[in-house]
Amino acid sequence: LAKTTQPISMDSYEGQEVNITCSHNNIATNDYITWYQQFPSQGPRFIIQGYKTKVTNEVASLFIPADRKSSTLSLPRVSLSDTAVYYCLVGDAPGNNDMRFGAGTRLTVKP
Amino acid sequence: ETGVTQSPTHLIKTRGQQVTLRCSSQSGHNTVSWYQQALGQGPQFIFQYYREEENGRGNFPPRFSGLQFPNYSSELNVNALELDDSALYLCASSLGTSGRARRTQYFGPGTRLLVL
Repeated sequence: LAKTTQPISMDSYEGQEVNITCSHNNIATNDYITWYQQFPSQGPRFIIQGYKTKVTNEVASLFIPADRKSSTLSLPRVSLSDTAVYYCLVGDAPGNNDMRFGAGTRLTVKP
Repeated sequence: ETGVTQSPTHLIKTRGQQVTLRCSSQSGHNTVSWYQQALGQGPQFIFQYYREEENGRGNFPPRFSGLQFPNYSSELNVNALELDDSALYLCASSLGTSGRARRTQYFGPGTRLLVL
């Protein structure tokens, strides 16, 4: 049963790069790593997904080492609007026993 | 392309009552999952429907039940409401075929339920 561990909270300042690391020591061969962002009183929003090495899109980058036991979400040059909770999920399909939301990381971006 | 919509946005019920929450999935998505999110916590998986059949269930009692219709919209029913049922209820849709589409969920804005 894959389980994820993330820092509870992080603070940053506008314009900085933010890296949020997620540990998933029991990741299975078929599992992917997915990150979601959630603003207060809204549903989570898909950010990025990867299996190994590095994935980059217009919003973020995801770094996954060779052993896949952890992953790092990188947000370049954050702004105040990036203040949100970020969730790391590991699994093969939504609803499977292992692809569940944890408590997430509350990122606060300060001016 | 229409996103995931949920109704109502807010609801107040009293203990012991029953409630029905509704969700319209994103166009073309045949899989709907429901989550309960208590204040300050991550979403907790309730159950999932794929092509009108339940396809997985989390650790929720039977008084939480669901339904998916031929157009892939869905309902969440909760009977005998308890105070602890107060939460944000989220619906998410995905394309339940294979690969990334299956793993990526699109969430609605949620229904805020308050049980008094």
